[in-house]
Amino acid sequence: DSGVTQTPKHLITATGQRVTLRCSPRSGDLSVYWYQQSLDQGLQFLIQYYNGEERAKGNILERFSAQQFPDLHSELNLSSLELGDSALYFCASSVERQDSGNTIYFGEGSWLTVV
Amino acid sequence: AQKVTQAQTEISVVEKEDVTLDCVYETRDTTYYLFWYKQPPSGELVFLIRRNSFDEQNEISGRYSWNFQKSTSSFNFTITASQVVDSAVYFCALGDVDYKLSFGAGTTVTVRA
Repeated sequence: DSGVTQTPKHLITATGQRVTLRCSPRSGDLSVYWYQQSLDQGLQFLIQYYNGEERAKGNILERFSAQQFPDLHSELNLSSLELGDSALYFCASSVERQDSGNTIYFGEGSWLTVV
Repeated sequence: AQKVTQAQTEISVVEKEDVTLDCVYETRDTTYYLFWYKQPPSGELVFLIRRNSFDEQNEISGRYSWNFQKSTSSFNFTITASQVVDSAVYFCALGDVDYKLSFGAGTTVTVRA
């Protein structure tokens, strides 16, 4: 158990709909990352938040957005869903330690199927 | 731009054989981080190891060992005396100073009893 909690684990929705994926980071971790894993694109970085602020953006579509709340949990919002958005969405968290560097732990993922 | 190449798509071995997974990376950063993750059939990504660019010391953890060579930009992973439970997809990843990870395509390891 990595300590990173993601909900829901599985989600099936129709094209055009909007879904929200939720992530609770490990206790004490300030950074949250979102990744998408699809068959054609592999594992891709979407976005990173650090202590409530957006820190880095990757290949995230404009239809997708994320935020990190004061309690450090994060949500990834996916709207106007298309068939190609079907993927496994991972959340990861980390804390930067001066002594041992950073280790990034992933949640179990949220399987999204768009039909 | 960061790039990770895992040239081996699939490796199949018989139990107790050793298996080595290759990982070659490209980066212009002087400070970077290398990771290996395991993804079993259940789908989660399990952290295995992290190494810093300034630490080329090889590491052994049980049946797992890692060989980091900056001169060849490689970070290879060996499973000694493989077991059926080692069957999974293994990903090598390269992290920048913000720890954004670029993943390789993964190597599927199948260990047959």
